[in-house]
Amino acid sequence: DTEVTQTPKHLVMGMTNKKSLKCEQHMGHRAMYWYKQKAKKPPELMFVYSYEKLSINESVPSRFSPECPNSSLLNLHLHALQPEDSALYLCASSQVARGTYEQYFGPGTRLTVT
Amino acid sequence: GESVGLHLPTLSVQEGDNSIINCAYSNSASDYFIWYKQESGKGPQFIIDIRSNMDKRQGQRVTVLLNKTVKHLSLQIAATQPGDSAVYFCAESFPIYMDSSYKLIFGSGTRLLVRP
Repeated sequence: DTEVTQTPKHLVMGMTNKKSLKCEQHMGHRAMYWYKQKAKKPPELMFVYSYEKLSINESVPSRFSPECPNSSLLNLHLHALQPEDSALYLCASSQVARGTYEQYFGPGTRLTVT
Repeated sequence: GESVGLHLPTLSVQEGDNSIINCAYSNSASDYFIWYKQESGKGPQFIIDIRSNMDKRQGQRVTVLLNKTVKHLSLQIAATQPGDSAVYFCAESFPIYMDSSYKLIFGSGTRLLVRP
């Protein structure tokens, strides 16, 4: 199984709502990532978890709150978002070992903030 | 600063022809360079990678060339097929911790259109 799944596929939320994005993988990968991708732009790294611990936060606003409850799951909690946060949110996972660097991406959650 | 960019935003090729997608990078500290393909409505998909101490690597119908002297990376696709139509991103990989996870910095992307 080389699949990363993300739910929901689409999400529309108001600026006062609280919602969560979910990501799951069963490849035994111990590194998981959140990326944000605006239309016609490349993915931009937001967070990296390694062995369920946050190892990188790319200066992401606190209205985005990641969580890694176990080695297979990664959540992104959203609160008080702005319309400019509308984007495709991609989750990825990878092995944690030198020389292995392929990240497997999920299909993404398309988020619209109204 | 770190940046990875592309010369051509859109490339249109005839089915069966070879395609060449180029990428310029500015940071020399990465371990690997990677090409990803992203089809509409999907996440990026790994195509091929090359280690920074290599200059050429071949896969099935794809070849990646790395010229560190001019900081240039290219992806060659042989006998381009309609299924190759997608956006292609180059990316640099930077280790976060040794023997641990790593960070990808993506280039701006090239859209490949394959004409039947």
